[in-house]
Amino acid sequence: QKEVEQNSGPLSVPEGAIASLNCTYSDRGSQSFFWYRQYSGKSPELIMFIYSNGDKEDGRFTAQLNKASQYVSLLIRDSQPSDSATYLCAALTGGGNKLTFGTGTQLKVEL
Amino acid sequence: NAGVTQTPKFQVLKTGQSMTLQCAQDMNHNSMYWYRQDPGMGLRLIYYSASEGTTDKGEVPNGYNVSRLNKREFSLRLESAAPSQTSVYFCASSPQATSGNIQYFGAGTRLSVL
Repeated sequence: QKEVEQNSGPLSVPEGAIASLNCTYSDRGSQSFFWYRQYSGKSPELIMFIYSNGDKEDGRFTAQLNKASQYVSLLIRDSQPSDSATYLCAALTGGGNKLTFGTGTQLKVEL
Repeated sequence: NAGVTQTPKFQVLKTGQSMTLQCAQDMNHNSMYWYRQDPGMGLRLIYYSASEGTTDKGEVPNGYNVSRLNKREFSLRLESAAPSQTSVYFCASSPQATSGNIQYFGAGTRLSVL
């Protein structure tokens, strides 16, 4: 079992819809979680991080964390074609020294 | 403000050749990381340096060595390149290797080993 798992997709949503990206993790000691966006051929860039149970909102993005279920999600409201990218979920592991990444979910926002 | 700078951006090697990938950050960050990214595999940690003077193995360290030259620079060396090392390599840095560990990535080095 991988430490951080994501559905590879692609996840296709129409423009203006809500995109829901999901991630599960196996290390119950993980405390912090990160969502990175990666456009094709580019480097990952941070969207949000979360370390408390519940929701955290930033503009059109909402991160959700449920430590009991070991589940992290990212909601993107009013999806735009520019949101089309691969979204990487990461958990802080190894006693807090390093990030473990999932394989990423490809999101396609269609006109 | 350049952030994290990686050189070179592209490189083609023959099997058995050696090379060093360079990484420098100008954000005064303590921690630096080297990842490789392969299709379907996500980002995998090769080595990291939690602070100047320390280095530790990550998930896939075999075939690589690293040097934390100073606080700004962290290099990755391939002593004898193999086709399995064909990948995109990313360097990253963060203020510190603890909770709230926001990592900032360089543009990447695309390496092909023939």
